[in-house]
Amino acid sequence: SQQGEEDPQALSIQEGENATMNCSYKTSINNLQWYRQNSGRGLVHLILIRSNEREKHSGRLRVTLDTSKKSSSLLITASRAADTASYFCATAGEGGNKLTFGTGTQLKVEL
Amino acid sequence: DGGITQSPKYLFRKEGQNVTLSCEQNLNHDAMYWYRQDPGQGLRLIYYSQIVNDFQKGDIAEGYSVSREKKESFPLTVTSAQKNPTAFYLCASSIMAKETQYFGPGTRLLVL
Repeated sequence: SQQGEEDPQALSIQEGENATMNCSYKTSINNLQWYRQNSGRGLVHLILIRSNEREKHSGRLRVTLDTSKKSSSLLITASRAADTASYFCATAGEGGNKLTFGTGTQLKVEL
Repeated sequence: DGGITQSPKYLFRKEGQNVTLSCEQNLNHDAMYWYRQDPGQGLRLIYYSQIVNDFQKGDIAEGYSVSREKKESFPLTVTSAQKNPTAFYLCASSIMAKETQYFGPGTRLLVL
């Protein structure tokens, strides 16, 4: 079952603009993670935010978590053509021992 | 050079054939996972293992089997019972359950 749902499904922006993608989930979580996937490749971990954290930064990435709304957002600032990829959120439930991945947002950054 | 490897990159299966996908890690991780990804879709969990000689079914285990005889290795067999095996298969590992997962490059399985 898919717990995380990303929004939008696809996003096209110009280089230098910011990109924001959102993730909503249904049940209580231990942590939420964001991953990136270039076409035909494996996933690369970007950032992990725990349920008791509200915001986290890593380079040009900013992740927020609102557990009351069961949602998270990923902001990529000053985007580059190399940021073109699919971005997935994954949730680790309070119970269980696995991650549940969403369907992803396809980001295209144009020159 | 630490990481997780998958082989082969492409695999062709004939009707009625079992095929095995390899996954090896040298990260000393306890947990390993197999996912299936269909075009334009997210990842669906097939099987996972938290410790050697133990594994659990994920959301779509039917038609697949695994073994975990060594900490480093978690092969996946796609059996003839899996009627729609064409997909991109991803293996991952993590130091423990629920934590950051590290992915291999994937194996694309095609049916002849």
